[in-house]
Amino acid sequence: QVQLVESGGGVVQPGGSLRLSCAASGFIFSSYDVHWVRQAPGKGLEWVASIRYDRSNSFYADSVKGRFTISRDNSKSTLYLQMNSLRVEDTGEYYCVKDGSGSATHFDSWGQGTLVAVSS
Amino acid sequence: EIVMTQSPATLSVSPGERATLSCRASQSISTNLAWYQQRPGQAPRLLIYGASTRATGIPARFSGSGSGAEFTLTVSSLQSEDFVVYYCQQSNSWPVTFGQGTRLEIK
Repeated sequence: QVQLVESGGGVVQPGGSLRLSCAASGFIFSSYDVHWVRQAPGKGLEWVASIRYDRSNSFYADSVKGRFTISRDNSKSTLYLQMNSLRVEDTGEYYCVKDGSGSATHFDSWGQGTLVAVSS
Repeated sequence: EIVMTQSPATLSVSPGERATLSCRASQSISTNLAWYQQRPGQAPRLLIYGASTRATGIPARFSGSGSGAEFTLTVSSLQSEDFVVYYCQQSNSWPVTFGQGTRLEIK
């Protein structure tokens, strides 16, 4: 079955950096778009970034554009999120998400999440 | 950016009854809409995509309908594990956006 295991979360000061990783298994990673979605404590879901299956294109929420970089290594079935210039409002659970098949983006498998806390 | 508005914020329904959750888009999104369920302390789970297609393993009591800008998630014969939070999400255009969520509570 599909498994997505995030790692790399932790506590960081404002202005700092973190790199999240997501190890994927149970499906052909190189055939699917993948995404990061986050959730601030007690709040709703916010899409963060997406990358095409073949790395041909990536997309970012305005709130993270220029600070975060999504990337993937299809040979390792791993997704990454490099987060720089972190802000307090970046605090939350970060989920690695696999896209479903079909033309429209939908999130059919989710990891368990990794917690990022930005605090001084 | 397409704004997704869910209503009501909280819905009180008795077990065994039917719940109807609404999601409205700020512009037409065709049928590029998905619904998710989130239980406390867990990651969200895909329920419906393409506005009306149930995801793998989702019970038949969950159904979705709508197109354009108005969508509905119906949960018939509510069971105890259904009283959690539900989100809609559009993917008609970037950025992907979610509704703020509807909490389904026991009446």
